[in-house]
Amino acid sequence: DTAVSQTPKYLVTQMGNDKSIKCEQNLGHDTMYWYKQDSKKFLKIMFSYNNKELIINETVPNRFSPKSPDKAHLNLHINSLELGDSAVYFCASSQTNTGELFFGEGSRLTVL
Amino acid sequence: GQQVMQIPQYQHVQEGEDFTTYCNSSTTLSNIQWYKQRPGGHPVFLIQLVKSGEVKKQKRLTFQFGEAKKNSSLHITATQTTDVGTYFCAADRGSTLGRLYFGRGTQLTVWP
Repeated sequence: DTAVSQTPKYLVTQMGNDKSIKCEQNLGHDTMYWYKQDSKKFLKIMFSYNNKELIINETVPNRFSPKSPDKAHLNLHINSLELGDSAVYFCASSQTNTGELFFGEGSRLTVL
Repeated sequence: GQQVMQIPQYQHVQEGEDFTTYCNSSTTLSNIQWYKQRPGGHPVFLIQLVKSGEVKKQKRLTFQFGEAKKNSSLHITATQTTDVGTYFCAADRGSTLGRLYFGRGTQLTVWP
């Protein structure tokens, strides 16, 4: 069983479209995250939710909207996609705020 | 701005040589974590260091946390081709729930 699973693994879309990435964790963790990894491998936190409550909202365009229907799920919706949104998006979870992160396999988004 | 400086960005070694990556912060850290990301994969947790001056070993990997809790290093003895990947440090300043600052990573290539 995959601990943190995200879908889809690959997304290729045109500029201006809207897309969603889904994430689910079966570890019973309280905290979930979205990270963005650019082409230079830089990992940057975007959002963090603890028990469905938004905790961290980094300087991310408001075209990005996370939604946590329950503490096992954290989805990411992106409106009006731009070329610069092309990246690998990783979902992660942790038991505590200082605990290790468990990452999903990533969703590679390519905006044409 | 970047919270944690990690060097070098790239390292190419012959199999059997040693490898070290360093992380430095201008502020005192609550703890530091290390992750490994294989090419095409997702970051995987290696270890967490919490105490000042802490040294931990995992087989050929040695992790250190500085006395002032502002720097850390990962040393690999006698590298193997399986060590290939990007190594990230992730620093927790203890100020906000779940806010880990990732270094830019060191991409290690090991030539057989």
